Amino acid sequence: DQQVKQNSPSLSVQEGRISILNCDYTNSMFDYFLWYKKYPAEGPTFLISISSIKDKNEDGRFTVFLNKSAKHLSLHIVPSQPGDSAVYFCAARSIIQGAQKLVFGQGTRLTINP
Amino acid sequence: DAEITQSPRHKITETGRQVTLACHQTWNHNNMFWYRQDLGHGLRLIHYSYGVQDTNKGEVSDGYSVSRSNTEDLPLTLESAASSQTSVYFCASRAGGGDTQYFGPGTRLTVL
Repeated sequence: DQQVKQNSPSLSVQEGRISILNCDYTNSMFDYFLWYKKYPAEGPTFLISISSIKDKNEDGRFTVFLNKSAKHLSLHIVPSQPGDSAVYFCAARSIIQGAQKLVFGQGTRLTINP
Repeated sequence: DAEITQSPRHKITETGRQVTLACHQTWNHNNMFWYRQDLGHGLRLIHYSYGVQDTNKGEVSDGYSVSRSNTEDLPLTLESAASSQTSVYFCASRAGGGDTQYFGPGTRLTVL
């Protein structure tokens, strides 16, 4: 069963507009959420994160929103730039018996059109 | 600068061969992880280690093994490569007590 889901495989946005990437999860024990960005032929790089005790975290053009009751988080990028074109993965952390693990979504390919 | 590296970056092998993928980090992180990335599945955890001599199975560990003889390295071995193991493999590390995993550049493995 997929505990973390990104239901949009791809998203196309015009340069300068807002990009909104969505992620849903099923496990209420997840306590921390992260977004990673991945360019072709490179490893994922950490972008932004949010603790489950918060509902918003902002870092420059990137903002992550968490709705715990809906088990939903989203990443907003504004304004979108061509360099933002990449695959974005959301990840959720669980800690079970001291073991800290990340569960990743399938990824969303974001394309920013000039 | 501290970093995490993987080698080789590309590998082609034949079914049944033993293959070892290397992962080396210079951050002195205790925690290291191996993932595979496949279309439609995102990144799935293969094995992980919380320190020297510690190894644990992840969700897709069948056919893979790891060993941790020092802090810097976590090699991943495919005992008898299968076509289903064709994938892109990523190694990651995290400081003990930290929240963020940092990834290597990946190894693209093709099993013919």
